[in-house]
Amino acid sequence: DTAVSQTPKYLVTQMGNDKSIKCEQNLGHDTMYWYKQDSKKFLKIMFSYNNKELIINETVPNRFSPKSPDKAHLNLHINSLELGDSAVYFCASSQAGTNTGELFFGEGSRLTVL
Amino acid sequence: GQNIDQPTEMTATEGAIVQINCTYQTSGFNGLFWYQQHAGEAPTFLSYNVLDGLEEKGRFSSFLSRSKGYSYLLLKELQMKDSASYLCAVSPSGGSYIPTFGRGTSLIVHP
Repeated sequence: DTAVSQTPKYLVTQMGNDKSIKCEQNLGHDTMYWYKQDSKKFLKIMFSYNNKELIINETVPNRFSPKSPDKAHLNLHINSLELGDSAVYFCASSQAGTNTGELFFGEGSRLTVL
Repeated sequence: GQNIDQPTEMTATEGAIVQINCTYQTSGFNGLFWYQQHAGEAPTFLSYNVLDGLEEKGRFSSFLSRSKGYSYLLLKELQMKDSASYLCAVSPSGGSYIPTFGRGTSLIVHP
């Protein structure tokens, strides 16, 4: 069983489109995250969410929005895609409220905007 | 805010020892992580340090000095499969605990 799973793994789309990436974790964790890894391999936090609080990196454009139907899922919705959105997006989860918990990452979703 | 610095790339020989350094500046500190990431794969957890000193785990060890804002990851008996990117991440204090990652060090192990 995959602990953190993301779909799709690859996504190629045109500028201006709207797309979603889904993430599910079966670890029972309360906190989930979205990270963006650019072409230079820099892993940047976008969102952190538990069932009480959404923390948004203020540098993330409001075209990006996380949606969580329940604590096992945190989906990423992107409006009006731009070329600069091309990257690998990683979902992750950890035990809520503690920094001693390691992050468990999904396999990543490679988004290419043409 | 946080600032994390690590070398971009290192090379080493199979069987040797390599030390990957990480320096950080943070307004609050609640632990430092090392992750390994093979090309095209997800990062995987290697170690966590919150107190000063050396933590050993098999061929990998991680060291922390909080007063110096410094950590290193030591890899012994290098194997070809250790060729990967090594990411240093710092967890801040004061609420969110969200780890912030450095740019990663690409390690190339050659025969």
